[in-house]
Amino acid sequence: SQTIHQWPATLVQPVGSPLSLECTVEGTSNPNLYWYRQAAGRGLQLLFYSVGIGQISSEVPQNLSASRPQDRQFILSSKKLLLSDSGFYLCACTRLAGQETQYFGPGTRLLVL
Amino acid sequence: GQQLNQSPQSMFIQEGEDVSMNCTSSSIFNTWLWYKQEPGEGPVLLIALYKAGELTSNGRLTAQFGITRKDSFLNISASIPSDVGIYFCAGRILTGGGNKLTFGTGTQLKVEL
Repeated sequence: SQTIHQWPATLVQPVGSPLSLECTVEGTSNPNLYWYRQAAGRGLQLLFYSVGIGQISSEVPQNLSASRPQDRQFILSSKKLLLSDSGFYLCACTRLAGQETQYFGPGTRLLVL
Repeated sequence: GQQLNQSPQSMFIQEGEDVSMNCTSSSIFNTWLWYKQEPGEGPVLLIALYKAGELTSNGRLTAQFGITRKDSFLNISASIPSDVGIYFCAGRILTGGGNKLTFGTGTQLKVEL
């Protein structure tokens, strides 16, 4: 079965600083990968998804970006963080490309001050 | 974007009681998923449904894929304190859903001893 790792678990960053969150997946091959943001423990907002290496679809215009340099690695970045970027960031994957069922990682809690 | 109407928004019940929650949509779905999220963690998949009318159990949990394909419900029998958390429904829209899931806004369950 698949295992999703997210790093770091918690992050406190000043406004205007850069961001890099990492998600790595084990136990799958050619999965779809997703980044979600969750505010106040409710409502999952899809930010980006990827169906393959180098393929990124953006769902919401914002100052975040995503990259997929390897099949099982998904990175969420920002050049300059805003206060509104605070939240709980979740990475998810499917077991195989084209499958609907998504499995979530443990999340990264980001606080921008 | 597409929203799933999930109800109730929150529930405060006595230990041992049965719980019922549901999700409805104006669109037809080809997949319904139910997740549970505990504080500070990623959502965990409870039940996946892939066919209209399908009724699936996982221990004390039972979920059904509505015949119209526009709704689903989750029942928890004989609730216990560890059932506390936020329950999310999610689904993939039959037409135009692509590789994305649509999530409900969650049902927060609190269990009183």
